[in-house]
Amino acid sequence: QVHLVESGGGVVQPGRSLRLSCAASGFTFSTYIMHWVRQAPGKGLEWVAVISYDGNNKYYADSVKGRFTISRDNSKNTLYLQMNSLRTEDTAVYYCTRDLGNNFDYWGQGELVTVST
Amino acid sequence: SYVLTQPPSVSVAPGQTARITCGGNNIGRKSVHWYQQKPGQAPVMVVYDDSDRPSGIPERFSGSNSGNTATLTISRVEAGDEADYYCQIWDSFSDQAVFGGGTKLTVL
Repeated sequence: QVHLVESGGGVVQPGRSLRLSCAASGFTFSTYIMHWVRQAPGKGLEWVAVISYDGNNKYYADSVKGRFTISRDNSKNTLYLQMNSLRTEDTAVYYCTRDLGNNFDYWGQGELVTVST
Repeated sequence: SYVLTQPPSVSVAPGQTARITCGGNNIGRKSVHWYQQKPGQAPVMVVYDDSDRPSGIPERFSGSNSGNTATLTISRVEAGDEADYYCQIWDSFSDQAVFGGGTKLTVL
């Protein structure tokens, strides 16, 4: 079955960087578009970024554009989110999700990122 | 950017029908997807492309979309349906996904 497992979260100071990873299994990773979605504590869902199956096309939410970079390594079945210049408002649980058709049919368990002094 | 509007909360008695709306400008021209999220868990898709159900989702969950409003309908509501529900579309103008603010369904 489909499994998405995020890792790399933790506590980081404002202005610093962090890289999240998402290990995928149970499906042919290289043929699927993938997304990151986040959820601040007690808040709703916010879409972050999307990457095409081959990594050639990427789109971002306005709130992270220029600071976050989505990437993938199809040889390792892994999705990444490089987060630079982190702000306190980036504190959230970050979910790796698989695209079914401009929606999200499978989600990871989520990884908490806390940006704090 | 495109905005989706949901009521913050909906309450319903067990066995009754819950309807959760999602408003947006000409949303009827877009494909709407719905997610259920229980406390401490990742979201689960319950309806996609307005009215299709993923495998394993009970037939009690259905969706419709027309004009400026999409609706998630949950028939014969059970205590286990208590959760937050989010609608979502893909905004092809900005190449971004958009979520509604979420609706907390309370089963009385």
